[in-house]
Amino acid sequence: GAVVSQHPSRVICKSGTSVKIECRSLDFQATTMFWYRQFPKQSLMLMATSNEGSKATYEQGVEKDKFLINHASLTLSTLTVTSAHPEDSSFYICSARGAGDYISSTDTQYFGPGTRLTVL
Amino acid sequence: AQSVTQPDIHITVSEGASLELRCNYSYGATPYLFWYVQSPGQGLQLLLKYFSGDTLVQGIKGFEAEFKRSQSSFNLRKPSVHWSDAAEYFCAVGPKYGNKLVFGAGTILRVKS
Repeated sequence: GAVVSQHPSRVICKSGTSVKIECRSLDFQATTMFWYRQFPKQSLMLMATSNEGSKATYEQGVEKDKFLINHASLTLSTLTVTSAHPEDSSFYICSARGAGDYISSTDTQYFGPGTRLTVL
Repeated sequence: AQSVTQPDIHITVSEGASLELRCNYSYGATPYLFWYVQSPGQGLQLLLKYFSGDTLVQGIKGFEAEFKRSQSSFNLRKPSVHWSDAAEYFCAVGPKYGNKLVFGAGTILRVKS
């Protein structure tokens, strides 16, 4: 149980276009989803936290107009990279926390396999 | 500032040999510490976590980690490595209440036969 999927696993796009990445909790309802970004040989950096039905909370330094997050249902969150540029090329990872988990428990994040974005 | 340092980017061990992956943290409050493993194409999987109590914690797949407050360390160990342990390992620290996990840069483990 507790499987999180991401789609696509890999995407290449032209500079200036927008790209949407989906994160789905397959066998549980996720009240909270998290989006991370990982640069080569660097840590995972939390970009934003989204709660179902409300606006996402972005970490300092993350452009909310650049990285649009929608968490419209308990099983789906999307990250849209708008007007992508080569510097947005990265590995994007989502995680999800279940509706039944102990509130605010840090350890119940289930991670997706990640999406590799390459902007040409 | 909160940070996690994993000094070794790559480690190569022989199958059957023991393993220790290092993790040092800087955290202003009581740290809650985690080790995750990521295999290619897979999500991060929680190996073990430390909140309080016994400073030697056991995890899945035969892994253990020891919390040493005086050294601000939480090193991961395994007495005998299997080829299937080859993966990337992440140490993370977070608060007891709240969302934000701070990750280290990861250590890639290679296992040679």
